[in-house]
Amino acid sequence: GAVVSQHPSWVICKSGTSVKIECRSLDFQATTMFWYRQFPKQSLMLMATSNEGSKATYEQGVEKDKFLINHASLTLSTLTVTSAHPEDSSFYICSARPPGSNTEAFFGQGTRLTVV
Amino acid sequence: GDSVTQMEGPVTLSEEAFLTINCTYTATGYPSLFWYVQYPGEGLQLLLKATKADDKGSNKGFEATYRKETTSFHLEKGSVQVSDSAVYFCALGDSNYQLIWGAGTKLIIKP
Repeated sequence: GAVVSQHPSWVICKSGTSVKIECRSLDFQATTMFWYRQFPKQSLMLMATSNEGSKATYEQGVEKDKFLINHASLTLSTLTVTSAHPEDSSFYICSARPPGSNTEAFFGQGTRLTVV
Repeated sequence: GDSVTQMEGPVTLSEEAFLTINCTYTATGYPSLFWYVQYPGEGLQLLLKATKADDKGSNKGFEATYRKETTSFHLEKGSVQVSDSAVYFCALGDSNYQLIWGAGTKLIIKP
């Protein structure tokens, strides 16, 4: 299947700093990428839908000024957690859907963010 | 809104045991249903899917049948192996092509 690479796989940062997570589709172009967050023992929660060349669509309750999403090219989307706090500690996963695929998506490895 | 409920884990089985992980859903319309698997240290992978009622998805010995009458998509495998230890997620694809997820079920297989 198609490959989606997410980097870094884990990161520890200090409160108040910003962290950028990259999501790349390696062998296909993705006009749409999705960002999810997973809390311990809970399901994946969709945070936002990222469309190449336009602003991301955020789900209700997700702060767009805190979670900045940029989808500057057909193979790269980034999520920046700004002014991170311990409650932002979580597992973040991106996914990308190849053109022509109705709902099948391919996922990155995920990023474990710990804010201390 | 649409939702997915799957059994809580962890589920612990011995090798060669029969596996069932329950998944039920609520949805308007006719969503596609998926099982994803996350092996330790790896990303999510699609395990199997079904796009309409009575379809059976299968892969790597796992099966799940899309049951509209019971709104279920239970995952089964006749004989599990230690290598099947992972977290399994049930999901549905809604009309907006976004995935709605269950909480995940951790499966532990003991030799």
